[in-house]
Amino acid sequence: ETGVTQTPRHLVMGMTNKKSLKCEQHLGHNAMYWYKQSAKKPLELMFVYNFKEQTENNSVPSRFSPECPNSSHLFLHLHTLQPEDSALYLCASSQDLGDTQYFGPGTRLTVL
Amino acid sequence: GESVGLHLPTLSVQEGDNSIINCAYSNSASDYFIWYKQESGKGPQFIIDIRSNMDKRQGQRVTVLLNKTVKHLSLQIAATQPGDSAVYFCAENTGGFKTIFGAGTRLFVKA
Repeated sequence: ETGVTQTPRHLVMGMTNKKSLKCEQHLGHNAMYWYKQSAKKPLELMFVYNFKEQTENNSVPSRFSPECPNSSHLFLHLHTLQPEDSALYLCASSQDLGDTQYFGPGTRLTVL
Repeated sequence: GESVGLHLPTLSVQEGDNSIINCAYSNSASDYFIWYKQESGKGPQFIIDIRSNMDKRQGQRVTVLLNKTVKHLSLQIAATQPGDSAVYFCAENTGGFKTIFGAGTRLFVKA
């Protein structure tokens, strides 16, 4: 285990649903990240938080809304998603920005 | 533009042989490189890293080589085992928040 946990591990939702993904890191890191991983494509950075402050929104559609209440927890709120949003969503953390990132197991999301 | 790529999408090796996974990067300003392993159903797992002031770094059964002249990175796995079967990603970082990942190479280990 890497010290980064994600729930749920699998999620199936309709296009009109609202759901949230949760990430928790037990490493005492200051930075947390959301990535999208689609088949046969490189990891796509979505959001970056450093000391609870968002430092990057990589042109992500507004139907994805991140929340970072403290340095250990990160959420990704989902609303009116599209089928093309189906992917593995990975959370990662690092001691500071630019340091090695440690990943959680991901949430496999399917949008019907 | 910035990119991290892999020469081969798949690699098949016999158990016990050595594996070499290659990676090309295009940003000469990158100064930190990481290899990750991703098994089915899991997130990427850190394997080994190297900074640009080094050209070789060894871990347990793994060695990373960095050739800055041709912007090439490789991961060598000694005595490959079935448990090494996974997708391997290289990644580069220029010191900021953005780590750029390659698409990955799938390693198959034949028993």
